[in-house]
Amino acid sequence: QSVLTQPPSASGTPGQRVTISCSGSSSRIGSDHIYWHQQLPGTAPKLLIYRNDQRPSGVPDRFSGSKSGTSASLAISGLRSEDEADYYCAVWDDGLSGWVFGGGTKLTVL
Amino acid sequence: QVQLVESGGGVVQPGGSLRLSCAASGIIFRSFGMHWVRQAPGKGLEWVSFIRFDGSDKYYGDSVKGRFTVSRDNSRSTLYLQLNSLRPEDTAVYYCMFCSSTNCDWGQGTLVTVSS
Repeated sequence: QSVLTQPPSASGTPGQRVTISCSGSSSRIGSDHIYWHQQLPGTAPKLLIYRNDQRPSGVPDRFSGSKSGTSASLAISGLRSEDEADYYCAVWDDGLSGWVFGGGTKLTVL
Repeated sequence: QVQLVESGGGVVQPGGSLRLSCAASGIIFRSFGMHWVRQAPGKGLEWVSFIRFDGSDKYYGDSVKGRFTVSRDNSRSTLYLQLNSLRPEDTAVYYCMFCSSTNCDWGQGTLVTVSS
């Protein structure tokens, strides 16, 4: 059972804006940076967002991240069929010296 | 361009052992801590282990502590994971991964199947 909670599924139609939430405790998200990883079907994960709202080079600006209090969100605007994937939030746990992942959200483009 | 290539996966009986490797290129390997993350079939991501850039400290998830050992050879730019006392619930794709200040890179993964 993950200590970062994500909805198991989300959906949208092409062109729409969708958001995926990631919630945790004040000790888990409140003081930590959130990372978002995208996993396309049958492939390895890929980093989409680091440190709450930063995009690595090459990630389209359709993808954006935000954090408020003990919740974080990934927003995808101008939804495309190729965005259909699993999305995972993650935080670095200093006590564990490891990553804690959310359970993942499966995004379906209708 | 960063490339991480895992190898060493396969089918092993419960109680058996395997050693996974992750060969890195396109990065100054000796400068970065490295992770192993796994994904059971149809399940989410689970962090397994972390080793500091110089191998001085190693950390493990509770589910593998005492059974798995992480190591690295900076002269070969290669990360390792020794899997001992394997259980059916260790069946997963194992990924190596590292994060710089502006990105995280993942390998393509290697499948470990624990079955009799």
